[in-house]
Amino acid sequence: NAGVMQNPRHLVRRRGQEARLRCSPMKGHSHVYWYRQLPEEGLKFMVYLQKENIIDESGMPKERFSAEFPKEGPSILRIQQVVRGDSAAYFCASSPPGNQPQHFGDGTRLSIL
Amino acid sequence: TQLLEQSPQFLSIQEGENLTVYCNSSSVFSSLQWYRQEPGEGPVLLVTVVTGGEVKKLKRLTFQFGDARKDSSLHITAAQPGDTGLYLCAGPYGNNRLAFGKGNQVVVIP
Repeated sequence: NAGVMQNPRHLVRRRGQEARLRCSPMKGHSHVYWYRQLPEEGLKFMVYLQKENIIDESGMPKERFSAEFPKEGPSILRIQQVVRGDSAAYFCASSPPGNQPQHFGDGTRLSIL
Repeated sequence: TQLLEQSPQFLSIQEGENLTVYCNSSSVFSSLQWYRQEPGEGPVLLVTVVTGGEVKKLKRLTFQFGDARKDSSLHITAAQPGDTGLYLCAGPYGNNRLAFGKGNQVVVIP
C-alpha cells in the first residue's frame, strides 16, 4: 500500500469527542475516496472528493460526519460527537482522474470507549 | 442489499491444492477488481478485468470475468501459505464509487 498514507493508524476516543482522520493520496492522484469497514461486513463507500470539491457523499451519515480535501494538505474525515457505533476501520483510497482503479491506504482503526 | 456476493465465505485448504472462489452479481459492471487484504492492512489491488470473458493471470492466480460481466472467479493453482488472506471483489457503480463483496477468506495450511 505504498503511496496512500493514512494517520493515525489507531485512534481511541471517548463518546462525545471528535475524531479526525487524515489521508494523503498517492502522488499524481487527485481523487480521494473514504470507505468504512465494520467487522463481518464489506467495505462501504462513504464519500468521494476531488480537490476542494465533494463529488459524492451519498454514503456518509447526514449528521456528525464531514469530509474535505483542501487545495493544500491531506483529505480529512471528521466525526463529531462520536458514539460506540462509529468504531470501525476507515480506509482512504485514491486514483488518478477518470475511471481508474483505486489504491488503498492501510486504514485508521477507530475505537470508541 | 449486497451488490456483489462472494462465495465461499471461508475456505481452508492444504498447501499444494487448487482452489476457486467466486464473485457474483445480478448487475452488469463495466469492470471488476480483485483485492487481497491482510489483517491490519488495507486492500491491495491484484487485477482489473474489463472485457466480458477476459482471463488474466498473475503468477499462480487466474482471474476470469464472466461473458455477461456480472460475475468473476479467482482460481489459485498449487496454493502456498503466502496466499492466505481475504480476497475482495469490487465493481464501480454510480459516481466511480466501488461496491465490495464481503470477501473470500482463504487459509492455506502448510
